[in-house]
Amino acid sequence: KQEVTQIPAALSVPEGENLVLNCSFTDSAIYNLQWFRQDPGKGLTSLLLIQSSQREQTSGRLNASLDKSSGRSTLYIAASQPGDSATYLCAVIASNTGKLIFGQGTTLQVKP
Amino acid sequence: NAGVTQTPKFQVLKTGQSMTLQCAQDMNHEYMSWYRQDPGMGLRLIHYSVGAGITDQGEVPNGYNVSRSTTEDFPLRLLSAAPSQTSVYFCASSYWSANTEAFFGQGTRLTVV
Repeated sequence: KQEVTQIPAALSVPEGENLVLNCSFTDSAIYNLQWFRQDPGKGLTSLLLIQSSQREQTSGRLNASLDKSSGRSTLYIAASQPGDSATYLCAVIASNTGKLIFGQGTTLQVKP
Repeated sequence: NAGVTQTPKFQVLKTGQSMTLQCAQDMNHEYMSWYRQDPGMGLRLIHYSVGAGITDQGEVPNGYNVSRSTTEDFPLRLLSAAPSQTSVYFCASSYWSANTEAFFGQGTRLTVV
């Protein structure tokens, strides 16, 4: 059974820091991996999609990497801002079912 | 382009009542799914559909029914609400292809008293 783990569960950093959020999964048979952002009381906003054949994707200050062999993905946020404060979720799409399987998220607080 | 639309946004039910959570998407996505989000449990898959007329169970299907009569709509029915179904429910859709991203609705916050 595929399991997705995100570490740390919570993170607090001062504004301007570069930071890394981690996501690990137990089964490397995935189609792709997607990172989401969720603001309190809101839905999920897609940040980056990494296809299984790719190693990384970039969007603005965000860079996500994928290492299928080790079952890991990282989300790198450069020059963090208070507006980046949110919960970040990673999800893998299982190859055999197409289902999205989520980690429990990392709640990020960026202090001014 | 509305994306994925969920209604209602908030709902309070009494134990034993029934209701339907609506989900509609206008992107012609084949794949639609329902999740519930609970503190400490993350997002868990309830039911999903790979196309009109085809549905299947996810991780936590008990107490919920779904149907998919059109590509656009994927309603979630609670037949007899229980306090354990108090949660935030999210609907998602995507193309039935591995290399496309999933889009989520804004959620329905359900309280069963």
